[in-house]
Amino acid sequence: AQSVTQLDSQVPVFEEAPVELRCNYSSSVSVYLFWYVQYPNQGLQLLLKYLSGSTLVESINGFEAEFNKSQTSFHLRKPSVHISDTAEYFCAVSERNTPLVFGKGTRLSVIA
Amino acid sequence: DAGVIQSPRHEVTEMGQEVTLRCKPISGHNSLFWYRQTMMRGLELLIYFNNNVPIDDSGMPEDRFSAKMPNASFSTLKIQPSEPRDSAVYFCASRDTGAGVEKLFFGSGTQLSVL
Repeated sequence: AQSVTQLDSQVPVFEEAPVELRCNYSSSVSVYLFWYVQYPNQGLQLLLKYLSGSTLVESINGFEAEFNKSQTSFHLRKPSVHISDTAEYFCAVSERNTPLVFGKGTRLSVIA
Repeated sequence: DAGVIQSPRHEVTEMGQEVTLRCKPISGHNSLFWYRQTMMRGLELLIYFNNNVPIDDSGMPEDRFSAKMPNASFSTLKIQPSEPRDSAVYFCASRDTGAGVEKLFFGSGTQLSVL
């Protein structure tokens, strides 16, 4: 069965600094990978996804993630964070059409 | 579309009481999922339905938990009797089975506190 490990439960970072949120997965078959974002008192929203093709995927608000099969990783990065990026971020994996399995989440706090 | 609608937003109850959480999926979506979010375990899948039929309930923690989907526009998650360790945020999500697995839409959640 697939699983997801998010190595950091909390990541504080100053505004305009770069950030990386780490995600590793385990699966015996090919997978789809995702990052979701949860703002306070809201449900999760899809941030970006890797299904196939280019291993580098980007979101509309400046985040990117790179699928690394050899390291079974899908780390999320942003070169310059904004206060509005403060949220909880969840990495998720799916073995094709199976329900998503989520990591425990990483709370990103951007400090002014 | 109003999105996935969950009620209540907050529920505070005493140990031993019955709790019922409700969910209205997005119209036209034929898959519905119940997740539980806690600090210790993150987001866990409890059960999911396709076309109102429960497909996998292996995530339901105990017999105290039950879920139903009597029609395509309504689902309930019931805990009877409730215990303090059930305190968590419970999310409902829905999607169109024919769409991508990532096209999952979440409700705003029900914050459950069992005293």
